[in-house]
Amino acid sequence: NAGVTQTPKFQVLKTGQSMTLQCAQDMNHEYMSWYRQDPGMGLRLIHYSVGAGITDQGEVPNGYNVSRSTTEDFPLRLLSAAPSQTSVYFCASSRAGQGTEAFFGQGTRLTVV
Amino acid sequence: DQQVKQNSPSLSVQEGRISILNCDYTNSMFDYFLWYKKYPAEGPTFLISISSIKDKNEDGRFTVFLNKSAKHLSLHIVPSQPGDSAVYFCAATSNAGGTSYGKLTFGQGTILTVHP
Repeated sequence: NAGVTQTPKFQVLKTGQSMTLQCAQDMNHEYMSWYRQDPGMGLRLIHYSVGAGITDQGEVPNGYNVSRSTTEDFPLRLLSAAPSQTSVYFCASSRAGQGTEAFFGQGTRLTVV
Repeated sequence: DQQVKQNSPSLSVQEGRISILNCDYTNSMFDYFLWYKKYPAEGPTFLISISSIKDKNEDGRFTVFLNKSAKHLSLHIVPSQPGDSAVYFCAATSNAGGTSYGKLTFGQGTILTVHP
């Protein structure tokens, strides 16, 4: 019973490099989302998806791309990493409908130098 | 503009006593509220939630209270245990379109320390 799985757990990038953070869920949830957590700011929504082929921007989308080709996977792409993207990234999934809780992965700690 | 605020960065309580964590929100469209608990190096885990049609929800040692007129909610933990030491996040969402779309707005978090 894996739930939400994120890879890698840790990553160091140089400024300007690109990379993809992977997220997979095995609960057949319709909704998936990416958040970043920064000190003193809680978690902020980057992008979200309500189903395969449908994505939309959250509160802090700049510098990130997403796509959702399957129900299970929701990768987050950093196009050209910047030090301001140093953060802990969490992927979450939830069922469609009102009042459903989100399940989170263990997070990816990203450092951009 | 912080729509969900947890004004206490930290709280320290003695084992066996009550822990009260507070959360304020400004967006009147929020109609479902959740509390998450987070240990270091782990993802947030769901603790308890409340719909805006209720003013209280209980689950074992955890009770959440909602005061809609004050746009305030609180989480009570009774009795507190050392294993409750973690960061607690308040989150809110709107189901105005018939669904939340999985979008949560989080507070900054409160670090709870329960001393033996």
